[in-house]
Amino acid sequence: DSGVTQTPKHLITATGQRVTLRCSPRSGDLSVYWYQQSLDQGLQFLIQYYNGEERAKGNILERFSAQQFPDLHSELNLSSLELGDSALYFCASSAAGPRVGGTEAFFGQGTRLTVV
Amino acid sequence: GENVEQHPSTLSVQEGDSAVIKCTYSDSASNYFPWYKQELGKRPQLIIDIRSNVGEKKDQRIAVTLNKTAKHFSLHITETQPEDSAVYFCAARESGGSYIPTFGRGTSLIVHP
Repeated sequence: DSGVTQTPKHLITATGQRVTLRCSPRSGDLSVYWYQQSLDQGLQFLIQYYNGEERAKGNILERFSAQQFPDLHSELNLSSLELGDSALYFCASSAAGPRVGGTEAFFGQGTRLTVV
Repeated sequence: GENVEQHPSTLSVQEGDSAVIKCTYSDSASNYFPWYKQELGKRPQLIIDIRSNVGEKKDQRIAVTLNKTAKHFSLHITETQPEDSAVYFCAARESGGSYIPTFGRGTSLIVHP
């Protein structure tokens, strides 16, 4: 158990719908990263939050958004879903930050999103 | 930003053979290089990492080497076993700013009994 909790584990929804994926980082970790993993694809970085603030954006679509709350849990919102959004979405957390030497990123179990 | 290239994309070996996966990175400021193993349908898990002040690190059958000058690092697995079959990802983390781990595209390792 990595200490990173993601819910739900599986999600099936129709095209055009909106879903919210939730992530609770390891205790004490301030950074949360969201990654998308499609079939036969690597881990595509979407977005990072650090202590409640957006820190970096990767290849995240405008239909997607995220936020990190004061208790440090994070939510990834996916809207106007398309078939191609079907993927495994991972959240990872680490202690990394501007003043921290940086440590490994711990991954949650992922949320498998299927858009039908 | 950082760019990580990983080769090969697929590696097939016989049980007991060695396996080597190679990665190159672009940002000379990167100073932390973790390797993750992902079994089918599961989360990536850290198996070994190396920092830029170290040239080689070993943990039982797994070793990682780093060549900062050439900006490449490699994962070596000796005496492979069927349970080593998985997708392996290398990553490089930039030392400033966001500390985002940038991942390679992964290597699917298949160990045949």
